[in-house]
Amino acid sequence: AQTVTQSQPEMSVQEAETVTLSCTYDTSESDYYLFWYKQPPSRQMILVIRQEAYKQQNATENRFSVNFQKAAKSFSLKISDSQLGDAAMYFCAYRSPNSGGSNYKLTFGKGTLLTVNP
Amino acid sequence: KAGVTQTPRYLIKTRGQQVTLSCSPISGHRSVSWYQQTPGQGLQFLFEYFSETQRNKGNFPGRFSGRQFSNSRSEMNVSTLELGDSALYLCASSLGYRSSGNTIYFGEGSWLTVV
Repeated sequence: AQTVTQSQPEMSVQEAETVTLSCTYDTSESDYYLFWYKQPPSRQMILVIRQEAYKQQNATENRFSVNFQKAAKSFSLKISDSQLGDAAMYFCAYRSPNSGGSNYKLTFGKGTLLTVNP
Repeated sequence: KAGVTQTPRYLIKTRGQQVTLSCSPISGHRSVSWYQQTPGQGLQFLFEYFSETQRNKGNFPGRFSGRQFSNSRSEMNVSTLELGDSALYLCASSLGYRSSGNTIYFGEGSWLTVV
């Protein structure tokens, strides 16, 4: 079974600064997907960024980028130019490749609560 | 395009009762999955449905069940409620086709409190 570990229960960053959230995972699969989801106080899970394991290039989405190290099974999220609206719980998640429409199960880490200080 | 819709958003039930939660996926999405979120256990996978068939099930007791209808809408049911069932129940949908890599979108969740 796959496991996802987020070792930082809480992090804080000054507005406009950069912060990196850590995530490691354990799997025996060679092909999979990794995600970072954001959960603000409204509790709706919002996709921040995704990474396919077969792609060597790190994914980027505007101010968000990842450092994907497949051999080390590490998947960190970097938030640049942090904004007050970035404050939320961030979850790292793993998903196996689907098969005939199945396997849409996400395995989540425990989350990292990010505080952005003005 | 409407997102994933969950109803009801908030509900309070008494121990021993049962509850049914509903989820309408994004139009065109055929895969629906359910998650339970609690402070202690975090986010845990309940089950996944695709084309009205349960494709995957998490490690939950038989009191937790679900189904999916032909229009892809899904319901989950919890019978004989326990205090520990108090949680945020999140529904997620995805296209579910073999092409893979489909993004999973979440609803706003249903808050269940068992008293």
